[in-house]
Amino acid sequence: KQEVTQIPAALSVPEGENLVLNCSFTDSAIYNLQWFRQDPGKGLTSLLLIQSSQREQTSGRLNASLDKSSGRSTLYIAASQPGDSATYLCAVHSGAGSYQLTFGKGTKLSVIP
Amino acid sequence: DAGVTQSPTHLIKTRGQQVTLRCSPKSGHDTVSWYQQALGQGPQFIFQYYEEEERQRGNFPDRFSGHQFPNYSSELNVNALLLGDSALYLCASSLGPGYGSPLHFGNGTRLTVT
Repeated sequence: KQEVTQIPAALSVPEGENLVLNCSFTDSAIYNLQWFRQDPGKGLTSLLLIQSSQREQTSGRLNASLDKSSGRSTLYIAASQPGDSATYLCAVHSGAGSYQLTFGKGTKLSVIP
Repeated sequence: DAGVTQSPTHLIKTRGQQVTLRCSPKSGHDTVSWYQQALGQGPQFIFQYYEEEERQRGNFPDRFSGHQFPNYSSELNVNALLLGDSALYLCASSLGPGYGSPLHFGNGTRLTVT
């Protein structure tokens, strides 16, 4: 059974700092990995999708990497801003006949002005 | 271009009652998945609908049922509500039931069971 873990559970940084969020998964036989952002009481906004054959994806100040063999992904946020404050969720698609995403519990990020 | 829309946004029900939640997928999408997110947890997969059929189901009891209509919209029904059913219910849509296309989520329905 696939399990996804995100560390740390919460993170507080001053504005302007670069930061890294971590995600690990127990079964490396994944099809893709997706990073989401969730604002309080809201739905999920897709940030980046990395296919299993890719090593990284970039969008603006965000860069996500994937090391499938070690079961790890990182989300790098450059020059953090207060508007980046949210919970960041990592989810994997295991493929092999399974259509569901398996999510971690998320990392709650606070960027202090 | 409308994204995924869910209704209602909030709902309060009493134990034992039944509830129906609704979802309209993003324009051009034909697959709808439902997730339950308890407070402080990641979303948990309930089921996925494609071509008006349930393609896969997560570890949820039969009290949870769904439907997909010919216009691709979907409903989630929960019978005999329990206090533990209180959660944010998220609908996600995608193009095709496969693994390659990203999921787009709605803002969810907050269900409170008293």
